[in-house]
Amino acid sequence: QQQVKQSPQSLIVQKGGISIINCAYENTAFDYFPWYQQFPGKGPALLIAIRPDVSEKKEGRFTISFNKSAKQFSLHIMDSQPGDSATYFCAASIMDSNYQLIWGAGTKLIIKP
Amino acid sequence: NAGVTQTPKFRILKIGQSMTLQCTQDMNHNYMYWYRQDPGMGLKLIYYSVGAGITDKGEVPNGYNVSRSTTEDFPLRLELAAPSQTSVYFCASITGVNTEAFFGQGTRLTVV
Repeated sequence: QQQVKQSPQSLIVQKGGISIINCAYENTAFDYFPWYQQFPGKGPALLIAIRPDVSEKKEGRFTISFNKSAKQFSLHIMDSQPGDSATYFCAASIMDSNYQLIWGAGTKLIIKP
Repeated sequence: NAGVTQTPKFRILKIGQSMTLQCTQDMNHNYMYWYRQDPGMGLKLIYYSVGAGITDKGEVPNGYNVSRSTTEDFPLRLELAAPSQTSVYFCASITGVNTEAFFGQGTRLTVV
């Protein structure tokens, strides 16, 4: 019940295309869903996050779509650029639970020029 | 601001040796975490701390120990290193006022 399942494991997208990464969870007590971006040799960094009271959040080219009934959320990267090539992690947590994040396995995204 | 600083960046240990991974944050964050990252496995929580003097086990604590004597420092101790502890280790902190986790640059550990 604590798992977060992320797909795909890897993704290749042409420059200018839309990158879509999906995550699914079981625990309905989760109330915070962030996406982190990690470049090689660096630690993850927060990209965008959503709470379950909204269905979508957009920041620039990055959008989280959230489907509470399906227990799924996804990251959309519009107009994907080579600089977006990185590993992306979804996560989930219960805000009152010491902020412990449960992580997806990660998606390695490659944007082809 | 330095943020979260981890040392060393790389280390090779022999089986049975011990070492301490250092983590320091200068943001006055209450919550600190140690994760290990293995290929295709995401991040697994080893130990965490909600404040100085308080630590608790995460998902994969066996073979590790931690201490939190100050708000700034959260060292991770490996006793009797084993090949299964070969991994990249990340330290992170959260203020507790908002939910963003700040990560160090990681320590790549190889046990041979």
